[in-house]
Amino acid sequence: KNEVEQSPQNLTAQEGEFITINCSYSVGISALHWLQQHPGGGIVSLFMLSSGKKKHGRLIATINIQEKHSSLHITASHPRDSAVYICAVEVDNDMRFGAGTRLTVKP
Amino acid sequence: NAGVTQTPKFQVLKTGQSMTLQCAQDMNHNSMYWYRQDPGMGLRLIYYSASEGTTDKGEVPNGYNVSRLNKREFSLRLESAAPSQTSVYFCASSASQDYEQYFGPGTRLTVT
Repeated sequence: KNEVEQSPQNLTAQEGEFITINCSYSVGISALHWLQQHPGGGIVSLFMLSSGKKKHGRLIATINIQEKHSSLHITASHPRDSAVYICAVEVDNDMRFGAGTRLTVKP
Repeated sequence: NAGVTQTPKFQVLKTGQSMTLQCAQDMNHNSMYWYRQDPGMGLRLIYYSASEGTTDKGEVPNGYNVSRLNKREFSLRLESAAPSQTSVYFCASSASQDYEQYFGPGTRLTVT
């Protein structure tokens, strides 16, 4: 079983919809990251969380340390949000990654 | 600021050849990382350097060596390339561990 599980694996939405991507992990962590990988391959860090909630524009990330769960929400989704979203956790100076969620937002 | 730069962007090697992937950052970050990304496997940490002068193994270090040349530069060396090392390699840096990481554009390596 992977230490980091993401769901769903694939997600198709219509423009304007509210999106939720989930990440569950099974180990003790010091921090959790949400990354966005564009179709061209570039990777951008969206959030780094160790507790609570962060918001940046239309993106919101939450983490529940007790439940070992994090969610990434996208409000008013847009076709330019189409990308792979990756959850990663820091464990004992190591980084472990989820397999990613491929999001496609249709106009 | 260029952020994190990687060279080369693409490389094709024959089995047994050696090469060094270069990474540099201009953000005065302490920590630097090398990852590989394979289809169906996601990203995996090869080596990291928490600070200048230190390096540590990640999840998949076999077949690789690293050098933290100075605070800016962190290189990844393949001494004897194998087809299993065909992958996309990403370098990243952060102010410190447990901080946001900034990724380079990646190096696509093919070993035939």
